[in-house]
Amino acid sequence: AQSVTQLDSQVPVFEEAPVELRCNYSSSVSVYLFWYVQYPNQGLQLLLKYLSGSTLVKGINGFEAEFNKSQTSFHLRKPSVHISDTAEYFCALSGNTPLVFGKGTRLSVIA
Amino acid sequence: DGGITQSPKYLFRKEGQNVTLSCEQNLNHDAMYWYRQDPGQGLRLIYYSQIVNDFQKGDIAEGYSVSREKKESFPLTVTSAQKNPTAFYLCASSIPKGPMNTEAFFGQGTRLTVV
Repeated sequence: AQSVTQLDSQVPVFEEAPVELRCNYSSSVSVYLFWYVQYPNQGLQLLLKYLSGSTLVKGINGFEAEFNKSQTSFHLRKPSVHISDTAEYFCALSGNTPLVFGKGTRLSVIA
Repeated sequence: DGGITQSPKYLFRKEGQNVTLSCEQNLNHDAMYWYRQDPGQGLRLIYYSQIVNDFQKGDIAEGYSVSREKKESFPLTVTSAQKNPTAFYLCASSIPKGPMNTEAFFGQGTRLTVV
């Protein structure tokens, strides 16, 4: 079975500080990995994806993530957050099945 | 503009009533999905369809039904058998990449409340 674990349910951070949202996964087969962002009462928007190739993936809004196969991790990072980054973030994987999601991390940016 | 349209955005239902949530896409995607979102639970898969006239149960299919008569449409019916239907429902679509599923594109969601 495949699963995704987001290690922090809530992450508060001051504006302009760096942030890391942690994601670990479990799968017996090769997977694709994704990070999505959700603003209140809206659908999910893709931030970035890892399909193959370079393990450092850059996405929209200044976010990046690093795929680490040995540690089965796909942590999301941003060097300097803004108030507008306040949202819920979901890590997800897909193999030969539909996307499996973690439970989400609520990022709160404090002015 | 291409995308996924869910309607209505808000829906209220009396206990014991069936209700149908609409999902339409013009992205020409083969695969479509329904997820349920509850606070702190992430997204859980209800049903998915990889091709017209075929669909499979997800992790929490009990009390729900779907149809896929057209490529563009994947409506979800929440039946009276669903014991706790109040939730945020998200429809998505994707293009399979060989045996793998690539990223899913999401609609804006329907918030269903049982009153």
